[in-house]
Amino acid sequence: GQQLNQSPQSMFIQEGEDVSMNCTSSSIFNTWLWYKQDPGEGPVLLIALYKAGELTSNGRLTAQFGITRKDSFLNISASIPSDVGIYFCAFTSGTYKYIFGTGTRLKVLA
Amino acid sequence: DVKVTQSSRYLVKRTGEKVFLECVQDMDHENMFWYRQDPGLGLRLIYFSYDVKMKEKGDIPEGYSVSREKKERFSLILESASTNQTSMYLCASRGTSGAVTQYFGPGTRLLVL
Repeated sequence: GQQLNQSPQSMFIQEGEDVSMNCTSSSIFNTWLWYKQDPGEGPVLLIALYKAGELTSNGRLTAQFGITRKDSFLNISASIPSDVGIYFCAFTSGTYKYIFGTGTRLKVLA
Repeated sequence: DVKVTQSSRYLVKRTGEKVFLECVQDMDHENMFWYRQDPGLGLRLIYFSYDVKMKEKGDIPEGYSVSREKKERFSLILESASTNQTSMYLCASRGTSGAVTQYFGPGTRLLVL
C-alpha cells in the first residue's frame, strides 16, 4: 500500500530558529498538503501544493512539492512559541482518499 | 466562518456500550469524513460520506458504522465499544469533489474501559 514517511518525529528548537521537516512517499501523487494541529484541536490546512517543483509560502511558512513528486518539505522561519504543535503532511489523488504522515511534533523553547 | 462541531470533546464508555459520536458542519458541504488518530499511526479513515444516505468504507471500518440522514450531520456509531477503540476521533468536511481542503472538528477523545 501507499506509505508516507515523515521526519523528524519530534524536535525541540529555540525561539527564533528556522525549522525544516519533510515527507517522502512510495508513490507519486497529484497534491501535497501540510496541516498543523494545535494541542486539543483538529488539524488546520496550512499549505496545498498542486504541481511538481511548486514552492508556496504562507507567512513564515514555505513548502515545496518535490520534482520527483514523491517528496515535500515544510520550512518555518524565525519560530515563535505559538508554532508549537503537530505538523502533518498528506497527499491525495483528488478522491476521498488522503494519506497522512505520522506527524512532526514541534516544541519551541522561549 | 467555517465551522465543524463535534458533540463531545471527551467521552468515557464501558466495554460493550453503544456509542454515538456526532458531527455537524455549517458549510453545506457534500463530503464528510470520520478519522481516528492514534500516536505513531497518523490519521486513518474510518468512513466517508459523499451525500445524504451515501457512504464508503475507509481503511478501518470494522467495528464502526455511520449515518448521514441530513447533509449537515454525520454520525459515527460504535455498535459495541471495545478497549481497542480508545482513541481520538476527528470529523472533517469538504466541499465539491474538486476541492482538497478538509475542515476538521476539534475531535472527541474516547476512552473505553
